[in-house]
Amino acid sequence: GAVVSQHPSRVICKSGTSVKIECRSLDFQATTMFWYRQFPKKSLMLMATSNEGSKATYEQGVEKDKFLINHASLTLSTLTVTSAHPEDSSFYICSATAHQAYEQFFGPGTRLTVL
Amino acid sequence: AQSVTQPDIHITVSEGASLELRCNYSYGATPYLFWYVQSPGQGLQLLLKYFSGDTLVQGIKGFEAEFKRSQSSFNLRKPSVHWSDAAEYFCAVAMNRDDKIIFGKGTRLHILP
Repeated sequence: GAVVSQHPSRVICKSGTSVKIECRSLDFQATTMFWYRQFPKKSLMLMATSNEGSKATYEQGVEKDKFLINHASLTLSTLTVTSAHPEDSSFYICSATAHQAYEQFFGPGTRLTVL
Repeated sequence: AQSVTQPDIHITVSEGASLELRCNYSYGATPYLFWYVQSPGQGLQLLLKYFSGDTLVQGIKGFEAEFKRSQSSFNLRKPSVHWSDAAEYFCAVAMNRDDKIIFGKGTRLHILP
């Protein structure tokens, strides 16, 4: 089956620093990738939709200058949390899909803790 | 706008008992419907999906779900649960098969020995 990886799986950073999270599709070309955020014991909230080679589409209420998304190739999308604050601490999950695919494939998630 | 409602935050069943997790959706047309499971510390795993055709869908791990248009529901069932089924279950909806997915708030399943 299709595999999506995320790196790192866990990151701890100081307040004010930036953190980059990678999402890779390992065995297929992902035309579209999605980034979700999951608060403790809460559901997944879609942050943005990323299409290869174009700007990401952000959901209402998500700060695009704070959560920078790049989808430079068909196998890699990155989420950069800029000037991180403790309230950005969360579980970030990406998913990937190919054109006219039947499902999205989810990565294992990245736990971000901002001190 | 699409939305998904999972009315039960927690469900507790005894091992070997049957299970039904409820899901209702709000969408004008026939949506694409999914059930995902998330075990502690694990990523999301797709249990089953409905796009069209037979309204009773079989999934992995012995799960099934039934799409009922008249009730706007897509309930998940399993005839006999195992302790390993304890996890968080998410119902989700999308407009198209590769469109963004909107998740319900989830139902935490607890299994009594």
